[in-house]
Amino acid sequence: QQQVRQSPQSLTVWEGETAILNCSYEDSTFDYFPWYWQFPRESPALLIAIRPVSNKKEDGRFTIFFNKREKKLSLHITDSQPGDSATYFCAASWDSGYNKLTFGKGTVLLVSP
Amino acid sequence: EAAVTQSPRNKVAVTGGKVTLSCNQTNNHNNMYWYRQDTGHGLRLIHYSYGAGSTEKGDIPDGYKASRPSQENFSLILELATPSQTSVYFCASGDRGENTLYFGAGTRLSVL
Repeated sequence: QQQVRQSPQSLTVWEGETAILNCSYEDSTFDYFPWYWQFPRESPALLIAIRPVSNKKEDGRFTIFFNKREKKLSLHITDSQPGDSATYFCAASWDSGYNKLTFGKGTVLLVSP
Repeated sequence: EAAVTQSPRNKVAVTGGKVTLSCNQTNNHNNMYWYRQDTGHGLRLIHYSYGAGSTEKGDIPDGYKASRPSQENFSLILELATPSQTSVYFCASGDRGENTLYFGAGTRLSVL
């Protein structure tokens, strides 16, 4: 059973548009949700994360919206730039400090100039 | 920022051979992880460790062993490599209580 699902698999937006990446999860006890991004030929790195005490987390142009009741979250990238082109992974774990993350399959984002 | 170093960066192995992938981290993190990345599957957890001398099975441990001889080193061992284990392998470390994973540069393994 896939614990973390992402959609769409790939997404193309024009420079300046808002990209919306979706994520859902199965286990209602998950309480930590990071997004990692990965540029071609590089390793994944933490982009932004949220805990369910909040339903929104902002960091510059990147915002996570979280809906605990529906077990869904989304990553919004406003004013998308070509440099944002990457694979984005949604992940989930328990906020226990043991970091055991379950990743989704990823969304490949292409921002066209 | 954590420094996680993987070796080798690229490896070609023969079916049935033994392969050892090594990972070293220099930030004294307690937790270390091995993931594999395949197109269409994302990152899947193979083995992990919460400290020297301990290893735990992840979500896809079959065909793999792990060894954590010290705080700094975590190895992934393929005793009898198969073509289905052709993949990119990432090692990661994290500090207990912080939740962030720091990934190494990855090892690209081809089993022929």
